[in-house]
Amino acid sequence: GENVEQHPSTLSVQEGDSAVIKCTYSDSASNYFPWYKQELGKGPQLIIDIRSNVGEKKDQRIAVTLNKTAKHFSLHITETQPEDSAVYFCAASSRTGNEKLTFGTGTRLTIIP
Amino acid sequence: DTAVSQTPKYLVTQMGNDKSIKCEQNLGHDTMYWYKQDSKKFLKIMFSYNNKELIINETVPNRFSPKSPDKAHLNLHINSLELGDSAVYFCASRSGGLFGSPLHFGNGTRLTVT
Repeated sequence: GENVEQHPSTLSVQEGDSAVIKCTYSDSASNYFPWYKQELGKGPQLIIDIRSNVGEKKDQRIAVTLNKTAKHFSLHITETQPEDSAVYFCAASSRTGNEKLTFGTGTRLTIIP
Repeated sequence: DTAVSQTPKYLVTQMGNDKSIKCEQNLGHDTMYWYKQDSKKFLKIMFSYNNKELIINETVPNRFSPKSPDKAHLNLHINSLELGDSAVYFCASRSGGLFGSPLHFGNGTRLTVT
């Protein structure tokens, strides 16, 4: 089955700086890669996703890049703000089978004012 | 309106008891899930239902039994609760007919077994 590794597990950045979270996946059939943000006491919420036919996608201050050859993808947050503090999860799924979404182990991002 | 709602939000119970968690979604989705999040925040899929039919059943003890009375509801019943069952349980839904459609999560049920 799919295995998704995520690094780092914790990340602290100064407000206004950029944050980068990296993930690798094992199943070459995976072709959908979403990122979720989980705030305290809430469920994860989708913030951006990318499909395997695209190398990069951007939405305001967040962007995701995908390297299919190396089987890794990254989340980039620029101009970080205190409200960006949360736990972030990457995930991967394949169109084959039951499209099971496998999550990474999470990154706790802390923005230092 | 809450799109995916779970009840209760907190559940404290003793070992050996039987408990249920309820989930309802008003998004018109036909695929629903249960995920377990442990103390290290790791999210692991437990079950998935599509139009009331079980399609994913991970290696979960058979003390856990999901039930989907209709496609808007997916409940989780747990028998003979154990200390290791303590976790946050998330219900989620998505539009099953659309590849790569996002998962919508509820706010979780924090289960504490003492």
